[in-house]
Amino acid sequence: ETGVTQTPRHLVMGMTNKKSLKCEQHLGHNAMYWYKQSAKKPLELMFVYSLEERVENNSVPSRFSPECPNSSHLFLHLHTLQPEDSALYLCASTPREMSYGYTFGSGTRLTVV
Amino acid sequence: AQTVTQSQPEMSVQEAETVTLSCTYDTSENNYYLFWYKQPPSRQMILVIRQEAYKQQNATENRFSVNFQKAAKSFSLKISDSQLGDTAMYFCAFMKHGWYSGGSNYKLTFGKGTLLTVNP
Repeated sequence: ETGVTQTPRHLVMGMTNKKSLKCEQHLGHNAMYWYKQSAKKPLELMFVYSLEERVENNSVPSRFSPECPNSSHLFLHLHTLQPEDSALYLCASTPREMSYGYTFGSGTRLTVV
Repeated sequence: AQTVTQSQPEMSVQEAETVTLSCTYDTSENNYYLFWYKQPPSRQMILVIRQEAYKQQNATENRFSVNFQKAAKSFSLKISDSQLGDTAMYFCAFMKHGWYSGGSNYKLTFGKGTLLTVNP
């Protein structure tokens, strides 16, 4: 464990379902990120939160809705997803000094059926 | 915008041998950081090594070392004495230098990755 915990590890959901992914860190980091990892594509940055404020949204469809209630927790709420949204969703965090790179969680493998 | 290119989708190496993974990047920035991350089948993305662009000396972490050529915008990873546990997807990543200021200078840009298999 790196200190960033993601749950659930696997998720299968229908296109009409609503589900949430959870990410938690107790490293004292002040920025948190959601990335999407699809096969044969580079990791795609979805959302960035710093001190609980969303600072970046990379043209992500509205069926993905992030929430950051405090600096230790980050959620990704999912609704009416499409099969092409099936991917590994990775959460990461960084301290204020960014040069040490990200600390990642183990990801949630999402399958939309 | 920055781009990161890993031209080797897959590589294999025999245990105990040395292998080099290639990475090139494109940027107009002068100060930045480069990283190699490892993602084994467990899916945990693990930092292998980092390099600060303003440092000429190549970074080294035990069996892992880099060949950083700033002018050529090249950042290759050398793994010496390869071990079975090194089998993983390896990602090269770029980050622009700077403290967070509400802008995008914290963004990690990744390559597509190289799948390395270490054979016994």
